[in-house]
Amino acid sequence: SQKIEQNSEALNIQEGKTATLTCNYTNYSPAYLQWYRQDPGRGPVFLLLIRENEKEKRKERLKVTFDTTLKQSLFHITASQPADSATYLCARLNSGYSTLTFGKGTMLLVSP
Amino acid sequence: GAGVSQTPSNKVTEKGKYVELRCDPISGHTALYWYRQSLGQGPEFLIYFQGTGAADDSGLPNDRFFAVRPEGSVSTLKIQRTERGDSAVYLCASSFGGSSTDTQYFGPGTRLTVL
Repeated sequence: SQKIEQNSEALNIQEGKTATLTCNYTNYSPAYLQWYRQDPGRGPVFLLLIRENEKEKRKERLKVTFDTTLKQSLFHITASQPADSATYLCARLNSGYSTLTFGKGTMLLVSP
Repeated sequence: GAGVSQTPSNKVTEKGKYVELRCDPISGHTALYWYRQSLGQGPEFLIYFQGTGAADDSGLPNDRFFAVRPEGSVSTLKIQRTERGDSAVYLCASSFGGSSTDTQYFGPGTRLTVL
């Protein structure tokens, strides 16, 4: 089965620093990877989608990379703020391209 | 406009009982998804509807779980003979067309507790 692995330990960083979260996948590269943010008691919110043939995607302070050799995606938040504290989920599109397999998520804590 | 809504927000039931969880997708979205999220885990896919039909129900764990979407909008997830292991947050999502690049919009979830 296709798996998505994220570091289950929380990432603690100081405000203003760059946060980097890791997502590793098994077996064949998915055509797409997606990143979501989830706050306590809420559903996930879509942030970014990156295609297999894209090395990097940016949106404001967010940057996602996709390395098919390492079977890894990195998610960066630059100039982090306390409001960025949340759990970040990585997901791959399953064959058929409609349903998602999620990782466990990584909790990010940004302290002032 | 309104986002995806789910009712109830919380449901406590006893082992062996039957429960129904409701999802109201964003108006005009043809694709609807159900996921289940246990504590400390990511959402786990259950079933995907395209219109009124279940396009993929491979994530349903067993035949106690069933979902319908009779008119292509509201969906109901039904769980028979609930077990303690069914306790989780049940998330619903919808997207415009269900294609690979369509964003999935999630509701707040229904927290199901089976005593």
